[in-house]
Amino acid sequence: QVQLVESGGGVVQPGRSLGLSCAASGFTFSNYGMHWVRQAPGKGLEWVAVISYDGGNKYYADSVKGRFTISRDNSKNTLYLQMNSLRPEDTAVYYCAKDGGSGIPPQAFHVWGQGTVVTVSS
Amino acid sequence: QSALTQPASVSGSPGQSITISCAGTSGDVGSYVLVSWYQHHPGKAPKLMIYEVNKRPSGVSNRFSGSKSGNTTSLTISGLQAEDEADYYCCSYAGSSTLVFGGGTKLTVL
Repeated sequence: QVQLVESGGGVVQPGRSLGLSCAASGFTFSNYGMHWVRQAPGKGLEWVAVISYDGGNKYYADSVKGRFTISRDNSKNTLYLQMNSLRPEDTAVYYCAKDGGSGIPPQAFHVWGQGTVVTVSS
Repeated sequence: QSALTQPASVSGSPGQSITISCAGTSGDVGSYVLVSWYQHHPGKAPKLMIYEVNKRPSGVSNRFSGSKSGNTTSLTISGLQAEDEADYYCCSYAGSSTLVFGGGTKLTVL
Protein backbone atom coordinates (compact mmCIF):
# COMPACT_ATOMS: atom_id res chain seq x y z
CA GLN A 1 0.00 0.00 0.00
CA VAL A 2 0.99 3.63 -0.39
CA GLN A 3 3.19 4.66 2.52
CA LEU A 4 5.17 7.74 3.52
CA VAL A 5 7.57 7.62 6.47
CA GLU A 6 9.23 10.78 7.77
CA SER A 7 12.44 10.88 9.77
CA GLY A 8 15.03 13.35 11.00
CA GLY A 9 13.09 15.35 13.55
CA GLY A 10 14.58 16.37 16.87
CA VAL A 11 15.53 19.25 19.13
CA VAL A 12 17.70 21.99 17.63
CA GLN A 13 18.86 25.40 18.81
CA PRO A 14 17.63 28.60 17.14
CA GLY A 15 19.74 29.55 14.17
CA ARG A 16 20.90 25.99 13.52
CA SER A 17 20.00 23.60 10.71
CA LEU A 18 18.14 20.31 10.45
CA GLY A 19 17.29 17.98 7.59
CA LEU A 20 14.17 15.86 7.24
CA SER A 21 13.59 12.84 5.00
CA CYS A 22 10.47 11.10 3.76
CA ALA A 23 10.69 7.57 2.38
CA ALA A 24 7.95 6.70 -0.09
CA SER A 25 6.68 3.28 -1.15
CA GLY A 26 3.71 1.65 -2.84
CA PHE A 27 3.46 4.03 -5.79
CA THR A 28 5.54 5.40 -8.66
CA PHE A 29 7.25 8.18 -6.73
CA SER A 30 8.71 9.86 -9.82
CA ASN A 31 5.23 10.54 -11.24
CA TYR A 32 3.95 12.72 -8.40
CA GLY A 33 4.53 16.09 -6.83
CA MET A 34 5.34 16.01 -3.13
CA HIS A 35 4.73 18.43 -0.28
CA TRP A 36 5.79 19.29 3.23
CA VAL A 37 3.04 20.48 5.60
CA ARG A 38 3.49 21.38 9.27
CA GLN A 39 1.40 21.86 12.39
CA ALA A 40 2.70 23.95 15.26
CA PRO A 41 1.55 23.05 18.79
CA GLY A 42 -2.06 24.10 19.27
CA LYS A 43 -2.26 25.53 15.76
CA GLY A 44 -3.69 24.49 12.42
CA LEU A 45 -2.09 22.96 9.36
CA GLU A 46 0.30 25.11 7.31
CA TRP A 47 1.52 24.28 3.83
CA VAL A 48 5.33 24.61 3.68
CA ALA A 49 6.61 23.63 0.24
CA VAL A 50 5.95 21.63 -2.94
CA ILE A 51 8.28 20.01 -5.46
CA SER A 52 7.21 18.83 -8.89
CA TYR A 53 7.43 15.19 -9.99
CA ASP A 54 10.85 15.68 -11.60
CA GLY A 55 12.27 18.12 -9.09
CA GLY A 56 12.35 20.89 -11.64
CA ASN A 57 9.91 23.21 -9.89
CA LYS A 58 9.90 24.15 -6.20
CA TYR A 59 7.66 26.60 -4.37
CA TYR A 60 7.55 27.75 -0.76
CA ALA A 61 5.34 29.46 1.79
CA ASP A 62 6.47 32.99 2.55
CA SER A 63 7.21 31.97 6.14
CA VAL A 64 10.05 29.64 5.07
CA LYS A 65 11.21 31.12 1.77
CA GLY A 66 14.97 31.60 1.70
CA ARG A 67 15.51 29.35 4.74
CA PHE A 68 14.07 25.96 3.73
CA THR A 69 14.91 23.88 0.66
CA ILE A 70 12.78 21.02 -0.66
CA SER A 71 14.41 18.35 -2.83
CA ARG A 72 13.91 14.78 -3.97
CA ASP A 73 15.86 11.76 -5.17
CA ASN A 74 13.65 9.73 -7.47
CA SER A 75 16.20 6.92 -7.60
CA LYS A 76 15.79 6.50 -3.85
CA ASN A 77 12.04 7.29 -3.64
CA THR A 78 12.88 9.90 -1.02
CA LEU A 79 11.78 13.48 -0.34
CA TYR A 80 13.88 15.90 1.69
CA LEU A 81 13.49 19.19 3.54
CA GLN A 82 16.63 21.11 4.53
CA MET A 83 15.80 23.66 7.20
CA ASN A 84 18.33 26.43 7.90
CA SER A 85 18.27 29.44 10.26
CA LEU A 86 15.62 27.74 12.36
CA ARG A 87 13.40 29.84 14.61
CA PRO A 88 11.28 28.89 17.63
CA GLU A 89 8.17 29.43 15.50
CA ASP A 90 9.32 26.58 13.23
CA THR A 91 8.56 24.16 16.07
CA ALA A 92 5.96 21.78 14.66
CA VAL A 93 5.05 18.32 13.49
CA TYR A 94 6.27 18.08 9.89
CA TYR A 95 4.31 15.88 7.48
CA CYS A 96 5.23 14.85 3.98
CA ALA A 97 2.32 14.37 1.61
CA LYS A 98 1.75 13.06 -1.91
CA ASP A 99 0.08 15.32 -4.45
CA GLY A 100 -2.73 14.07 -6.66
CA GLY A 101 -0.74 14.88 -9.79
CA SER A 102 2.58 16.17 -11.03
CA GLY A 103 2.67 19.03 -8.55
CA ILE A 104 2.22 21.63 -11.31
CA PRO A 105 -0.05 23.10 -10.17
CA PRO A 106 -0.18 21.64 -6.65
CA GLN A 107 -3.60 20.07 -6.21
CA ALA A 108 -4.30 18.30 -2.92
CA PHE A 109 -2.64 16.10 -0.36
CA HIS A 110 -3.83 12.60 -1.23
CA VAL A 111 -1.63 10.61 1.14
CA TRP A 112 0.11 11.74 4.33
CA GLY A 113 2.89 10.39 6.49
CA GLN A 114 2.63 10.13 10.26
CA GLY A 115 4.86 13.16 10.80
CA THR A 116 8.13 13.92 12.56
CA VAL A 117 8.49 16.40 15.43
CA VAL A 118 10.87 19.35 15.19
CA THR A 119 11.50 21.45 18.30
CA VAL A 120 13.52 24.66 18.03
CA SER A 121 14.63 25.71 21.49
CA SER A 122 17.72 26.82 23.33
CA GLN B 1 -0.89 33.85 1.74
CA SER B 2 -3.66 34.71 4.25
CA ALA B 3 -5.41 31.75 5.83
CA LEU B 4 -8.94 30.85 4.76
CA THR B 5 -11.64 31.53 7.36
CA GLN B 6 -13.41 28.64 9.08
CA PRO B 7 -15.59 28.58 12.22
CA ALA B 8 -13.57 27.46 15.23
CA SER B 9 -16.12 24.84 16.20
CA VAL B 10 -19.34 23.16 15.14
CA SER B 11 -21.40 20.46 16.81
CA GLY B 12 -24.22 18.08 16.04
CA SER B 13 -26.00 15.02 17.36
CA PRO B 14 -25.62 11.54 15.89
CA GLY B 15 -27.68 11.18 12.72
CA GLN B 16 -27.87 14.91 12.08
CA SER B 17 -26.18 16.83 9.26
CA ILE B 18 -23.68 19.63 9.72
CA THR B 19 -21.98 22.03 7.34
CA ILE B 20 -18.56 23.62 7.79
CA SER B 21 -17.93 26.77 5.80
CA CYS B 22 -14.60 28.03 4.50
CA ALA B 23 -14.36 31.58 3.26
CA GLY B 24 -11.61 32.69 0.93
CA THR B 25 -11.12 35.40 -1.66
CA SER B 26 -11.19 35.83 -5.41
CA GLY B 27 -7.47 35.04 -5.31
CA ASP B 28 -7.97 31.52 -4.02
CA VAL B 29 -11.30 29.73 -3.47
CA GLY B 30 -13.18 32.01 -5.85
CA SER B 31 -10.87 31.38 -8.80
CA TYR B 32 -9.97 27.68 -8.65
CA VAL B 33 -11.55 24.25 -8.41
CA LEU B 34 -8.47 23.01 -6.51
CA VAL B 35 -10.25 23.10 -3.15
CA SER B 36 -9.90 20.19 -0.72
CA TRP B 37 -10.96 19.11 2.78
CA TYR B 38 -9.08 17.09 5.39
CA GLN B 39 -10.10 15.21 8.52
CA HIS B 40 -7.54 15.20 11.32
CA HIS B 41 -7.77 13.15 14.46
CA PRO B 42 -5.11 14.52 16.85
CA GLY B 43 -2.00 12.39 16.91
CA LYS B 44 -2.80 10.76 13.58
CA ALA B 45 -2.07 11.61 9.97
CA PRO B 46 -4.60 13.93 8.31
CA LYS B 47 -6.88 12.28 5.75
CA LEU B 48 -8.15 13.64 2.44
CA MET B 49 -11.95 13.70 2.41
CA ILE B 50 -12.81 15.90 -0.59
CA TYR B 51 -10.74 17.23 -3.50
CA GLU B 52 -11.51 19.45 -6.50
CA VAL B 53 -14.48 20.92 -4.60
CA ASN B 54 -16.71 17.84 -4.57
CA LYS B 55 -14.79 14.67 -5.46
CA ARG B 56 -14.42 11.87 -2.91
CA PRO B 57 -11.33 9.67 -2.84
CA SER B 58 -11.91 5.94 -2.94
CA GLY B 59 -12.92 4.68 0.49
CA VAL B 60 -14.38 7.93 1.81
CA SER B 61 -18.01 7.63 2.86
CA ASN B 62 -20.64 9.28 0.68
CA ARG B 63 -21.87 10.98 3.87
CA PHE B 64 -19.17 13.56 3.11
CA SER B 65 -19.84 16.07 0.35
CA GLY B 66 -18.33 19.35 -0.82
CA SER B 67 -19.60 22.41 -2.62
CA LYS B 68 -18.54 25.90 -3.61
CA SER B 69 -20.32 29.20 -4.16
CA GLY B 70 -18.35 32.30 -5.01
CA ASN B 71 -15.47 32.71 -2.59
CA THR B 72 -16.83 30.18 -0.08
CA THR B 73 -16.53 26.42 -0.04
CA SER B 74 -18.38 24.08 2.31
CA LEU B 75 -18.12 20.55 3.67
CA THR B 76 -21.35 18.76 4.63
CA ILE B 77 -21.40 15.64 6.75
CA SER B 78 -24.72 13.82 6.85
CA GLY B 79 -25.77 11.10 9.27
CA LEU B 80 -23.23 12.20 11.86
CA GLN B 81 -21.38 9.39 13.62
CA ALA B 82 -19.23 9.43 16.73
CA GLU B 83 -16.10 8.68 14.68
CA ASP B 84 -16.62 11.88 12.67
CA GLU B 85 -15.51 13.89 15.70
CA ALA B 86 -12.22 15.45 14.58
CA ASP B 87 -10.65 18.64 13.29
CA TYR B 88 -11.48 19.57 9.70
CA TYR B 89 -9.40 21.78 7.42
CA CYS B 90 -10.13 23.30 4.05
CA CYS B 91 -7.34 24.07 1.60
CA SER B 92 -7.25 25.98 -1.67
CA TYR B 93 -4.83 26.66 -4.49
CA ALA B 94 -3.89 30.32 -4.19
CA GLY B 95 -2.04 30.91 -7.45
CA SER B 96 1.72 30.99 -8.12
CA SER B 97 1.92 27.29 -7.18
CA THR B 98 1.04 27.94 -3.55
CA LEU B 99 -1.62 26.44 -1.30
CA VAL B 100 -3.38 27.94 1.71
CA PHE B 101 -5.24 26.20 4.56
CA GLY B 102 -8.14 27.34 6.66
CA GLY B 103 -7.64 27.73 10.39
CA GLY B 104 -9.47 24.48 11.13
CA THR B 105 -12.84 23.58 12.67
CA LYS B 106 -13.32 21.29 15.64
CA LEU B 107 -16.35 19.06 15.14
CA THR B 108 -17.99 17.74 18.29
CA VAL B 109 -20.55 14.94 18.07
CA LEU B 110 -22.84 15.44 21.04
